[in-house]
Amino acid sequence: DAKTTQPPSMDCAEGRAANLPCNHSTISGNEYVYWYRQIHSQGPQYIIHGLKNNETNEMASLIITEDRKSSTLILPHATLRDTAVYYCIVRVYTDKLIFGTGTRLQVFP
Amino acid sequence: GAGVSQSPSNKVTEKGKDVELRCDPISGHTALYWYRQSLGQGLEFLIYFQGNSAPDKSGLPSDRFSAERTGGSVSTLTIQRTQQEDSAVYLCASSTSQGALYGYTFGSGTRLTVV
Repeated sequence: DAKTTQPPSMDCAEGRAANLPCNHSTISGNEYVYWYRQIHSQGPQYIIHGLKNNETNEMASLIITEDRKSSTLILPHATLRDTAVYYCIVRVYTDKLIFGTGTRLQVFP
Repeated sequence: GAGVSQSPSNKVTEKGKDVELRCDPISGHTALYWYRQSLGQGLEFLIYFQGNSAPDKSGLPSDRFSAERTGGSVSTLTIQRTQQEDSAVYLCASSTSQGALYGYTFGSGTRLTVV
């Protein structure tokens, strides 16, 4: 059974913030939230992860709700190169990495 | 090299033949995954190696699929008696045991076409 629910697709204008939601209502206390993305015909790329605090790196920000049942990946200034499928994954870090169907983000000019 | 290397990048084989796909993980990485991705589909987990532990083979779709990892480094995925439904991109990923917390590095994949 999928542990996460994501919208199948989203659009975003270039230069605007892209906010990608993820629901993980059954997340356990020791499970992390990970985000990966896959640009067409390439292997997936790690973006960010978090446990309960909000996180930011050079690629994105991750906002996790206080109850940890949902999160949002934020790309602050989307570019055309951010067009990709984005995967939200919850797991204990020692577990295998299982991908769902993700959100296809289309950034348009 | 600096990344995960997979070979060949493309492979066309006839139905019924055996194929071997190779993955060279980043040096020192103890964790290694194989996935496959059929056209327009998501990533399907196949097998997971972590250090000296027994591999997690729970994702292998049939007994025609097998994988080994020699010396804790290079891994080979073997598909026997290939079928057309085996056509897909096969992806390998690796990480340090600590890096499992921070994310895996993926190779560019092997595109397998069974004709």
